[in-house]
Amino acid sequence: KAGVTQTPRYLIKTRGQQVTLSCSPISGHRSVSWYQQTPGQGLQFLFEYFSETQRNKGNFPGRFSGRQFSNSRSEMNVSTLELGDSALYLCASSTDTPSTDTQYFGPGTRLTVL
Amino acid sequence: GNSVTQMEGPVTLSEEAFLTINCTYTATGYPSLFWYVQYPGEGLQLLLKATKADDKGSNKGFEATYRKETTSFHLEKGSVQVSDSAVYFCALSDRANAGKSTFGDGTTLTVKP
Repeated sequence: KAGVTQTPRYLIKTRGQQVTLSCSPISGHRSVSWYQQTPGQGLQFLFEYFSETQRNKGNFPGRFSGRQFSNSRSEMNVSTLELGDSALYLCASSTDTPSTDTQYFGPGTRLTVL
Repeated sequence: GNSVTQMEGPVTLSEEAFLTINCTYTATGYPSLFWYVQYPGEGLQLLLKATKADDKGSNKGFEATYRKETTSFHLEKGSVQVSDSAVYFCALSDRANAGKSTFGDGTTLTVKP
């Protein structure tokens, strides 16, 4: 099976712009989660989507949003970018079966805000 | 809430040395525990996992045992290689929120030949 794919791999934006990142989960996986990784804050949970519905949300401002499509692909959007949004954004997918709650991660999208 | 504490790093070892990276957790209920590895410029790869007390996860020579009494999940390897140099993350997820993992701060391992 193909793994989790994320596009694009690298992005450079300027402050005030908005950005959309895409994630395609492993085939058959219905849960998609997003994380932000920075040197100072480590790995922080953004949100999780399951069956096109946001099921969990982390402590991020409303500028961070996401959605999931019927084929389980997910996008996250960050509006009005700030310098502090520079990070590696990781997507993870899982089957959401109680006995197999393992998350599998994509390679990430490296966002740089200038 | 849930939390994961990893030993402070970085860790530098010589090839063939024994590795231990400590991990302790705080969680309600009975979480699943994971070790992930991240190589430079890449995402996280699942290294091993354990889903209940006394379970031992193992992969590529790495092992970790789910210790409920000490709330720990220490990572060990008997003989490290240069290729094991990476950042290692301990993580947990609880059954009610399987899509929301909590991670430790990560431990950078450097293995010298």
